[in-house]
Parts: sequence; C-alpha cells; structure tokens
Amino acid sequence: SQTIHQWPATLVQPVGSPLSLECTVEGTSNPNLYWYRQAAGRGLQLLFYSVGIGQISSEVPQNLSASRPQDRQFILSSKKLLLSDSGFYLCAMDRVWEAKNIQYFGAGTRLSVL
Amino acid sequence: SQKIEQNSEALNIQEGKTATLTCNYTNYSPAYLQWYRQDPGRGPVFLLLIRENEKEKRKERLKVTFDTTLKQSLFHITASQPADSATYLCAPHNYGQNFVFGPGTRLSVLP
Repeated sequence: SQTIHQWPATLVQPVGSPLSLECTVEGTSNPNLYWYRQAAGRGLQLLFYSVGIGQISSEVPQNLSASRPQDRQFILSSKKLLLSDSGFYLCAMDRVWEAKNIQYFGAGTRLSVL
Repeated sequence: SQKIEQNSEALNIQEGKTATLTCNYTNYSPAYLQWYRQDPGRGPVFLLLIRENEKEKRKERLKVTFDTTLKQSLFHITASQPADSATYLCAPHNYGQNFVFGPGTRLSVLP
C-alpha cells in the first residue's frame, strides 16, 4: 500500500539556520508530490508541487525551496530560517478515489523557529 | 480570486446530536468537493467526496450535500460521539488545478 514518510516529526531551529525536511513515499511510482504549510490557527497553504524528478512548481514566493532528487523523494529546504517559517509542514501525494484525485498526507513536521 | 469559507471556526455539540458543518465557496465551479478530518498534530485524512452532479452522499454516520447553485456543501455527522471531535476541512476541486482547502471547523463533541 502507499505510504508517506516525513521526518523529523518535530524540529526546533534558531533564526538564520538552514532547514531540510524530507518526504519519501512507498508503494507507488512517479507520484505527484506536494508541500503544504499550516500556520497556527490557519488553513493549509500549498508551497510547492512536483510532477516528476527535478520538476518543481512554486505556489508562493518565500524563503523556502524544494527539490525532487529521486522519484519518491521530495525535500523542502531553506538557507536561512525566519521566525515566520514556523508552522506545521505536510507532505502529500495524489491518490485516486472513485476515479477522482484526492490528497493523501504524511504525518507532518512541526517546525518552531526561535 | 477563489475563496472558501467554513461556517464557524469552532462548533460545540452534545454527544448524540447531529453536527452540521458548512462549506461555502466563491469564484469557481468545482467538479467535486472533498471533506477531510484533521486531528491535532496530524495530517488531514480524506473522508469522502461528492461530485457536482450528486446532491447527497452518505458513508456510515456521515452525510454530505452539494448545492452548486448556492455554492455550498453541508457535512453532517449523525449520532455524534466524542471521538468525532476534530477539525474538518472542505476542499472544492476542479480538474487541472491544485487543491485548495478551507480554513476548517473545529468540532468538539461533549459527553
């Protein structure tokens, strides 16, 4: 079955430090992959999506970048974290339900920038 | 621009009652609409979807309606239980577009 692994589950980083969050999927090939951020008390914001290796689309300009070095690996990075980067980061992929695409989410990474 | 509203940020109901959550959208015409459940500190989990040509969909104690004229979906949980307490997100979706989620309604079912 398809699964998504995200790590770490929790991360506390100082302002100005780099960031690397990893997402890997199992049980499927060539998935569409997504990074979302959920700030405290706010909705899900799509950050990046990828339809294949090396293909990244950015939804909002910000302090973050994404890469897809392998088919089932999606990485979210930052060179210098800002306080505003704090939030809950979720990796997701497309799944099909009743012939329609839905989103299947990982467990998420809680990032606190201090 | 596309906008999704969910009726209230928080909803408290008594165990055994029916919870009704509202999702309203503007400035687009979704082909289908999805509902997700999110528990604290966890990723959202898909519950069910309803197509634009469907008026109602049921799954166990869950019922979803979809009114494309009103641009609204209602999500009902009958015989609610404390275990139903969570945040519920709606996501109207159209083909070729990325998913956009509503801000969510936090439901608390009181014993």
